[in-house]
Amino acid sequence: AQSVTQLGSHVSVSEGALVLLRCNYSSSVPPYLFWYVQYPNQGLQLLLKYTSAATLVKGINGFEAEFKKSETSFHLTKPSAHMSDAAEYFCAVGGNEKLTFGTGTRLTIIP
Amino acid sequence: EAQVTQNPRYLITVTGKKLTVTCSQNMNHEYMSWYRQDPGLGLRQIYYSMNVEVTDKGDVPEGYKVSRKEKRNFPLILESPSPNQTSLYFCASRSIPQPSPLHFGNGTRLTVT
Repeated sequence: AQSVTQLGSHVSVSEGALVLLRCNYSSSVPPYLFWYVQYPNQGLQLLLKYTSAATLVKGINGFEAEFKKSETSFHLTKPSAHMSDAAEYFCAVGGNEKLTFGTGTRLTIIP
Repeated sequence: EAQVTQNPRYLITVTGKKLTVTCSQNMNHEYMSWYRQDPGLGLRQIYYSMNVEVTDKGDVPEGYKVSRKEKRNFPLILESPSPNQTSLYFCASRSIPQPSPLHFGNGTRLTVT
């Protein structure tokens, strides 16, 4: 069985500040891990994925995530927030058949 | 352009009136899936299909049916909709080898009164 926990359903940061969105996972096998972003009235788009090639994964729009097996975490970060980063972010863990999503974190950017 | 197309985008119906939400992808993906998104619950998988004529239940399959007669199409059928099926629905597809990313449609907002 697999599951994902996203801490904080709402996160607010000032423009230019560090963005940190937390994700912890549970998986009985080595996991495939993803971060997706959802802008208003749109479907989800892939931000980045963990492929086991490297623990630090770089994605689009300046986001990155670090896989920490000992902490079962895959937190998403961006050094400097931009107004266009305002969206909902979903962490997901999956195998070949199923992808389980977290409940999402809505990111608000304060001008 | 590679895309997943869902129709309709918005649908208002009444309890018990059968409806179908269509989903089509043009990327030759083997895997397709339906999710529902509800506030505070994230996305939950309804059904998925690994290939033509192969479908399986996700986490919340009750009240839904699917079929996969062609590789590109994966319709979601609600035979007797109820108000608790009011939700935002997403179709998604990907190629089989993981970790392949899911490609999502733009969603169908369904209201059942």
